[in-house]
Amino acid sequence: GESVGLHLPTLSVQEGDNSIINCAYSNSASDYFIWYKQESGKGPQFIIDIRSNMDKRQGQRVTVLLNKTVKHLSLQIAATQPGDSAVYFCAEGQGGAQKLVFGQGTRLTINP
Amino acid sequence: ETGVTQTPRHLVMGMTNKKSLKCEQHLGHNAMYWYKQSAKKPLELMFVYNFKEQTENNSVPSRFSPECPNSSHLFLHLHTLQPEDSALYLCASSRRTGTNEKLFFGSGTQLSVL
Repeated sequence: GESVGLHLPTLSVQEGDNSIINCAYSNSASDYFIWYKQESGKGPQFIIDIRSNMDKRQGQRVTVLLNKTVKHLSLQIAATQPGDSAVYFCAEGQGGAQKLVFGQGTRLTINP
Repeated sequence: ETGVTQTPRHLVMGMTNKKSLKCEQHLGHNAMYWYKQSAKKPLELMFVYNFKEQTENNSVPSRFSPECPNSSHLFLHLHTLQPEDSALYLCASSRRTGTNEKLFFGSGTQLSVL
């Protein structure tokens, strides 16, 4: 069946460096992708999304890249800060929100 | 503040207890969801309500009983749970548009079943 997964369960980066979190998806029919951030003790928080007709989308300090050829999604965080420490989830879907399939998550830790 | 409020934040219950989780959204959304988040597992969709009507039950055991009295409130009634039901239960809401729908999550209820 379809699945969304993350290449690495944990990622450690130095404060100030850029972070790249990767996600693979298997459903070629998915046309919508979202990144969520979940801090300890909180629910997932929307970061950025992208539709399948785009390759790249930028937000504030974050960029999402979509490579449909290899079914790969990545989240880039520029100048990583301590507040970026969290678990990051990707999700893929088509149509309504109930069709979203979530990955397992990558834990990002920031080294001072 | 995400606009989705869940209570209680923490709940410990025995297997014979009956308890309820509450969710309220202040975003004017028309769809509400219950998700289960277990350690080392992806988010699992449990129930979906659109305009107060249940539109999805993802093969959830009957010991979990949802209730949606209006578009802003959602409950999850719990009875005779098992220890493996211990998890973080997340409520979410969205505006149904049919495309590009984003889920907005509450902070969850951390449930421990003894």
